[in-house]
Amino acid sequence: DMKVTQMPRYLIKRMGENVLLECGQDMSHETMYWYRQDPGLGLQLIYISYDVDSNSEGDIPKGYRVSRKKREHFSLILDSAKTNQTSVYFCASSPGTGLSAETLYFGSGTRLTVL
Amino acid sequence: GQQVKQSSPSLTVQEGGISILNCDYENDMFDYFAWYKKYPDNSPTLLISVRSNVDKREDGRLTVFLNKSGKHFSLHITASQPEDTAVYLCAAGLNQGGSAKLIFGEGTKLTVSS
Repeated sequence: DMKVTQMPRYLIKRMGENVLLECGQDMSHETMYWYRQDPGLGLQLIYISYDVDSNSEGDIPKGYRVSRKKREHFSLILDSAKTNQTSVYFCASSPGTGLSAETLYFGSGTRLTVL
Repeated sequence: GQQVKQSSPSLTVQEGGISILNCDYENDMFDYFAWYKKYPDNSPTLLISVRSNVDKREDGRLTVFLNKSGKHFSLHITASQPEDTAVYLCAAGLNQGGSAKLIFGEGTKLTVSS
């Protein structure tokens, strides 16, 4: 069963704390993404990873960093979280090859609240 | 500025009618266009997509129209049903060796009333 798994589903942190959001996929997809979703803004791309240790900034990378040490795992890290990073974070992966190369498969999202 | 824009935050259609969702984009280099559907507290899922070498693609009740000169694409849903009620996100991107860096619009909340 093709799946993108995000952990945790809900997370509450205090301002200044570090945050680690984890994402895994079992489809051997090369490309993985982190988006955040805010009301009225849709999905905004934070980072894209083309493969292990091959990461590229998206449209709103400030305040975030990522780590991809294995093809199936892609982590989003917030060093010293800020209240404006309260959002729903979605991880996604795409095949990169074939007829559906660009199709994004999304995880179920992590709702992060920074107090 | 917003590279991909959905100007209508919401749309209400009667059951059985045609739902028309619109999306405008700025970058004329985009070569891949898609519509995703999202239910509350769920993840987006791909509905239909087209590449820039076609103007139209049909899949059941769904049709995507692409107007490259106008930098506009739309999703038509015929015979709309209450189950079509959801947020629809348009996305556009540039295919770079199989990976498309997709830019999403803000979303349009479609309500199909019975």
